[in-house]
Amino acid sequence: DSGVTQTPKHLITATGQRVTLRCSPRSGDLSVYWYQQSLDQGLQFLIQYYNGEERAKGNILERFSAQQFPDLHSELNLSSLELGDSALYFCASSERTGQAFFGQGTRLTVV
Amino acid sequence: DQQVKQNSPSLSVQEGRISILNCDYTNSMFDYFLWYKKYPAEGPTFLISISSIKDKNEDGRFTVFLNKSAKHLSLHIVPSQPGDSAVYFCAASVYGGATNKLIFGTGTLLAVQP
Repeated sequence: DSGVTQTPKHLITATGQRVTLRCSPRSGDLSVYWYQQSLDQGLQFLIQYYNGEERAKGNILERFSAQQFPDLHSELNLSSLELGDSALYFCASSERTGQAFFGQGTRLTVV
Repeated sequence: DQQVKQNSPSLSVQEGRISILNCDYTNSMFDYFLWYKKYPAEGPTFLISISSIKDKNEDGRFTVFLNKSAKHLSLHIVPSQPGDSAVYFCAASVYGGATNKLIFGTGTLLAVQP
């Protein structure tokens, strides 16, 4: 158990809809990262928050947004969903530097 | 632009033999490198890391080698066990930078045959 909790584990939704993925980081970790893993692809960095502030952005679509709340949990919002958004979405957390600990992921299926 | 590359999508080895997984990077600012292991339907789990001030780090059966001049690192697993069968991701970051986001390679699927 990494200590990072993601909900829900699975999500099936229709094209055009909006979903929210939730992540609770390890206790004490201030950094939260979101990654996307599409079929047979590596882990693509989407966005990082540190103590409530956006710290880095990767290849995140404009239809996607995220935030980190005062209690340090984070949400990734995906809107106007397309079939190609179907993927595993991972959240990870870390201290200021060093290794990141990953959650179990949310499998999103857009039909 | 793929800054971290794992050119072998898969590798098959016999139980008890050595597994060598390779990784190349292009960004010379990277100074901290990690290997993660991932089983299906699970999140990646940290395996071993190395700082750019070292050229080798060992942890039990796992050793990571770093060749900074070649911008290349490798993970050696000796001896390989069937339970090591998983996808292995190489990752790199700038340690202590404004963001220590990890940039991942595309992964290598290791199959250890009994």
